[in-house]
Amino acid sequence: SQQGEEDPQALSIQEGENATMNCSYKTSINNLQWYRQNSGRGLVHLILIRSNEREKHSGRLRVTLDTSKKSSSLLITASRAADTASYFCACNQAGTALIFGKGTTLSVSS
Amino acid sequence: KAGVTQTPRYLIKTRGQQVTLSCSPISGHRSVSWYQQTPGQGLQFLFEYFSETQRNKGNFPGRFSGRQFSNSRSEMNVSTLELGDSALYLCASSHPGTANTGELFFGEGSRLTVL
Repeated sequence: SQQGEEDPQALSIQEGENATMNCSYKTSINNLQWYRQNSGRGLVHLILIRSNEREKHSGRLRVTLDTSKKSSSLLITASRAADTASYFCACNQAGTALIFGKGTTLSVSS
Repeated sequence: KAGVTQTPRYLIKTRGQQVTLSCSPISGHRSVSWYQQTPGQGLQFLFEYFSETQRNKGNFPGRFSGRQFSNSRSEMNVSTLELGDSALYLCASSHPGTANTGELFFGEGSRLTVL
């Protein structure tokens, strides 16, 4: 399976701190994506990084991809209470469905 | 542009019954994917449709089926419901140019409770 596995499963930080979540996968991938889900809601796409990219930025988000280690990390800088949510990595190979990991639950307290 | 719409949002069924869930994708999107989300198993892929054809299928029993219509709207059906089918069922659509490789746009889900 090429399913991503996030680490840690849960993360609690204070507002203003940075949050780092990691994702590992098992096989070669076409691209890797990160999504966010507020409790009981649908998922929202955050960022996509292709297999030939090593780093990507979007606002307070920074994603890295290390294909040699089959891992990715999502960094959220200067966290806010509104960042409290579950974060999922998802990856696929060309022509296959996007498969999600079990997610990291982030709690940001003010 | 309207987002992905799923109906119904909540429903309660009893074991043995069947259920049909509906998904209207974003206008212009031709790919629709379905996922089941439970606390224990996380997000599991059910199936994906593109232009009325099932393109990918997950590892679910035959009780789970789906289809897509010519207007890209999709339905999924679960027959002979079991307690373990209680879950949040999420539908997602994607733009034709990004099928299989790009961003998925999710609906708010249909929460099914089986008693």
